[in-house]
Amino acid sequence: EAQVTQNPRYLITVTGKKLTVTCSQNMNHEYMSWYRQDPGLGLRQIYYSMNVEVTDKGDVPEGYKVSRKEKRNFPLILESPSPNQTSLYFCASSRSRDRALSYEQYFGPGTRLTVT
Amino acid sequence: KNQVEQSPQSLIILEGKNCTLQCNYTVSPFSNLRWYKQDTGRGPVSLTIMTFSENTKSNGRYTATLDADTKQSSLHITASQLSDSASYICVVRGGYQKVTFGIGTKLQVIP
Repeated sequence: EAQVTQNPRYLITVTGKKLTVTCSQNMNHEYMSWYRQDPGLGLRQIYYSMNVEVTDKGDVPEGYKVSRKEKRNFPLILESPSPNQTSLYFCASSRSRDRALSYEQYFGPGTRLTVT
Repeated sequence: KNQVEQSPQSLIILEGKNCTLQCNYTVSPFSNLRWYKQDTGRGPVSLTIMTFSENTKSNGRYTATLDADTKQSSLHITASQLSDSASYICVVRGGYQKVTFGIGTKLQVIP
């Protein structure tokens, strides 16, 4: 089954404790992206990757890091989480790096993160 | 500033009734517009995509329209079902790699 998976689905952590949210897709997609979704603000892009070893900032990259060492994986790293990073996070992938956003983005199930 | 505004913010309708959701955008240049459905606690799923030359596109009981001149799109749901209860998000692609999301309309279909 074609899908995007994220782990963990739920995470409660404390301020300053480094964490990683994993994202994996099995569709051989070149484009991958991370979003956060907050009430009243909608989905906002954190980082995206057009292909292996190619990443770029989205609209709200502060406090986050990503890496793309393999085509299928795109982990999101919070080096020192803060309470304002409490949010619902989605990973997404899409076919074709050249016209990535003309193609449908497939979203993962989401990771609900709480930072206390 | 590129913006996507959706209305209403929330909507409650009776099962079997029709409804129309609105999306107005200021994104320029315009490339395409997608409607996504997001069930509670799940990731968004694409319903339809509209490009500049398309006025209407249907996907089952969902019909999307686009007026590129006025920069407006609508999503019409016919004969609503309880499973239509979800948030509907309008997403507009502008220039290279730039995507702007609307906040969404939360639809609740009641028996």
